[in-house]
Amino acid sequence: GQQLNQSPQSMFIQEGEDVSMNCTSSSIFNTWLWYKQDPGEGPVLLIALYKAGELTSNGRLTAQFGITRKDSFLNISASIPSDVGIYFCAGQISNAGGTSYGKLTFGQGTILTVHP
Amino acid sequence: NAGVTQTPKFRVLKTGQSMTLLCAQDMNHEYMYWYRQDPGMGLRLIHYSVGEGTTAKGEVPDGYNVSRLKKQNFLLGLESAAPSQTSVYFCASSQGGGYTFGSGTRLTVV
Repeated sequence: GQQLNQSPQSMFIQEGEDVSMNCTSSSIFNTWLWYKQDPGEGPVLLIALYKAGELTSNGRLTAQFGITRKDSFLNISASIPSDVGIYFCAGQISNAGGTSYGKLTFGQGTILTVHP
Repeated sequence: NAGVTQTPKFRVLKTGQSMTLLCAQDMNHEYMYWYRQDPGMGLRLIHYSVGEGTTAKGEVPDGYNVSRLKKQNFLLGLESAAPSQTSVYFCASSQGGGYTFGSGTRLTVV
């Protein structure tokens, strides 16, 4: 099956720093999604990307859908303590026949720690 | 709005015991999924359903069964729990786009 490699596995940063993380795949995806998981909770959708080359922002978060459709990047600017959590990328194949049934393939996650 | 609700939130089982995890969604979503989350391995798909009365195997289906008798509910069963099934289980639903996740069930098998 598809494999998503997410890096880095963990990050320890100071409040105010910018953060970058990325996902690469051996397969092409039609949709890339980025989720954040707070401790004890389920993942929550941050940004969805639907087109190769697309650059989308959500507040201090910016994500890009790679031109090759095999990668995606998430940047967080001016980090704050509440950015702490696990960030997951996810790829989805949305083919014309609809047989993907919306299934997502997830990366292993990036654990972000922000020191005040 | 409740979104996706999972019960129970925590459970400890002895090896060989059985249990059922319940997932309920109130968004009228067609698709529902069960994932397990283990450290360093992300979220892995166990089973999924594309509509009432349908189920299909995901990436790691062995040792689990599912049922979707009603559109809003998706049940995950463990017939004979094993320590390897110690994990956090997440249910999610969608209409084909991004998922809405429940808050998870932490299961420990001793």
